[in-house]
Amino acid sequence: QVQLQESGPGLVKPSETLSLTCTVSGGSVSSGSYYWNWVRQPPGKRLEWIGFIYYSGNTNYNPSLKSRVTISLDASKNQFSLKLSSLTAADTAVYYCARAPLSGSALGYFDSWGQGTLVTVSS
Amino acid sequence: DIVMTQSPDSLAVSLGERATINCKSSQSVLSRSNSKNYLTWYQQKPGQPPKLLIYWASTRESGVPDRFSGSGSGTDFTLTISSLQAEDVAIYYCQQYYSNPPWTFGQGTKVEIK
Repeated sequence: QVQLQESGPGLVKPSETLSLTCTVSGGSVSSGSYYWNWVRQPPGKRLEWIGFIYYSGNTNYNPSLKSRVTISLDASKNQFSLKLSSLTAADTAVYYCARAPLSGSALGYFDSWGQGTLVTVSS
Repeated sequence: DIVMTQSPDSLAVSLGERATINCKSSQSVLSRSNSKNYLTWYQQKPGQPPKLLIYWASTRESGVPDRFSGSGSGTDFTLTISSLQAEDVAIYYCQQYYSNPPWTFGQGTKVEIK
């Protein structure tokens, strides 16, 4: 059974860049059957999809965050990572990594999630 | 972006009774090419990540109790818990994955015991 685990700082200063890593166990980020995603949830608000990466390196980002987001993949460590720049208080959220299965030609629902990590943006 | 709106925001149901949650999308999430609705439901308990319950609007994820069912098509969908159990207390989210991203979520519906 696949497991995902986020890691990274819990407190980041405004205007700085957030870096988070998701370590995958029980499965491979090099599998062509899945896309690897980041999703966040600000306190008391709905979930927001941030973006995904495929083993080939193909990425897709939410247009609302696209100018500030980079997702990368390290197959040798079975990890994928998120960088979010120019942080403000509005970026305070629980950040989840999640796996999306490729179902035929369709994808976009998340069948496995990490536990999530709270990131607070504050000076 | 497709906007997902759930109703009600919260509901309280007696143990053993039926709970019904609605989800409406701002545009159809039904694909004409494969006749599938690109709609999923998650359950989130406090301090936990969301858990996949149903995808393709009505397909139950492996291991999900059969008291959970999904229905609907096009823009209107329903998650039904046929007989509410204490462990079903949670927030439930719908999400669309129609066509290209961004994929979007509803605001959530909180289910409590009456």
